Amino acid sequence: AQSVTQLGSHVSVSEGALVLLRCNYSSSVPPYLFWYVQYPNQGLQLLLKYTSAATLVKGINGFEAEFKKSETSFHLTKPSAHMSDAAEYFCAVRDHQAQKLVFGQGTRLTINP
Amino acid sequence: GAGVSQSPSNKVTEKGKDVELRCDPISGHTALYWYRQSLGQGLEFLIYFQGNSAPDKSGLPSDRFSAERTGGSVSTLTIQRTQQEDSAVYLCASSLSGGLGELFFGEGSRLTVL
Repeated sequence: AQSVTQLGSHVSVSEGALVLLRCNYSSSVPPYLFWYVQYPNQGLQLLLKYTSAATLVKGINGFEAEFKKSETSFHLTKPSAHMSDAAEYFCAVRDHQAQKLVFGQGTRLTINP
Repeated sequence: GAGVSQSPSNKVTEKGKDVELRCDPISGHTALYWYRQSLGQGLEFLIYFQGNSAPDKSGLPSDRFSAERTGGSVSTLTIQRTQQEDSAVYLCASSLSGGLGELFFGEGSRLTVL
């Protein structure tokens, strides 16, 4: 079964610093990969998705992620953190047959002023 | 409505009672998903509907859990004889057609079983 592992349940960075949230997937075939964000007391919102086109995917709010097959990774980055980026971030995978998304455990991002 | 609507937003019940959680998806979305979000557990898939049928219900944790969808629209998740371990936020999402379509999530129903 497809799965994703998010390294670090909590990440804390200073405002203006680089944000790096890690996600590794398990699959022998490159799957479809997603990053979702959940702000407090809200539902999840799609940040970006990889569907076997360009390996560097740009999303909303200045976030981007790079698909690296050799590392089975899909890490999320943002060059300069804003206070408004504080939220929980979920990596998710869908294989080519299934209709459901399988989510990672989530990473809570805290931004320090 | 413009987004996925879930009700109730909060539900407190006593152990052993039955509860129903409702999801009203975005109009025209044929795919509907239920997930459960527990503290430190991430999102756990429960069931997927395409139209009124459920081709994947593999995530339902026990026979106390059931879900239905009528008219290709509203879905109800029913938990019978609730247990304390059922306490969680139940999230509903809809998608235009499944596949690679973006999932749009509701704000969830927070269930607390005393």
